[in-house]
Amino acid sequence: GAVVSQHPSWVICKSGTSVKIECRSLDFQATTMFWYRQFPKQSLMLMATSNEGSKATYEQGVEKDKFLINHASLTLSTLTVTSAHPEDSSFYICSARGLAGGKTGELFFGEGSRLTVL
Amino acid sequence: GEDVEQSLFLSVREGDSSVINCTYTDSSSTYLYWYKQEPGAGLQLLTYIFSNMDMKQDQRLTVLLNKKDKHLSLRIADTQTGDSAIYFCAESFTGGGNKLTFGTGTQLKVEL
Repeated sequence: GAVVSQHPSWVICKSGTSVKIECRSLDFQATTMFWYRQFPKQSLMLMATSNEGSKATYEQGVEKDKFLINHASLTLSTLTVTSAHPEDSSFYICSARGLAGGKTGELFFGEGSRLTVL
Repeated sequence: GEDVEQSLFLSVREGDSSVINCTYTDSSSTYLYWYKQEPGAGLQLLTYIFSNMDMKQDQRLTVLLNKKDKHLSLRIADTQTGDSAIYFCAESFTGGGNKLTFGTGTQLKVEL
């Protein structure tokens, strides 16, 4: 299947700093990428939908000024957690859908990025 | 809104069959999926079923869908220790732009 890679896989930062997480589709072009957040032992919560060349669509309750999403190319979307605080500590997962999409609407998931804010 | 529920934990012995259940509330779902998540990793799509199907089999995996009761199950035959993981069901909707609503996840533990 297609490969989606996230970087970094684990980041620890001090409170108040900003952290950027990258999501890359390695062997296909992704028109749409999704960013999820997962707390320990909980399900994935969709944060936003990122479309190449346009503004991201945020889910209700997600602060767009806090979680900046940029989808500048067909293979890269970035999530920047601005002025991170301990409550932002979480596992962030991206997924991507290719240009063809496929009838199943299959999404390919990254390995996840664990953010710990001290 | 959509609500997808799963049991939190299931423990089985190696070689037995595992059945993971999922209930959902929105009847307009188009596709239903099963994903596997190993510790500290992303999600791996295991299988999916279109909402007008009742059953789908793929090697050791069997998916059953009861649309009337809004109940989805995943049966893993001959469960192995490598099957230990968290299993998420998810649904997508017509016109939903491939947005998935995930269940709460079931942790499967396979014991020797």
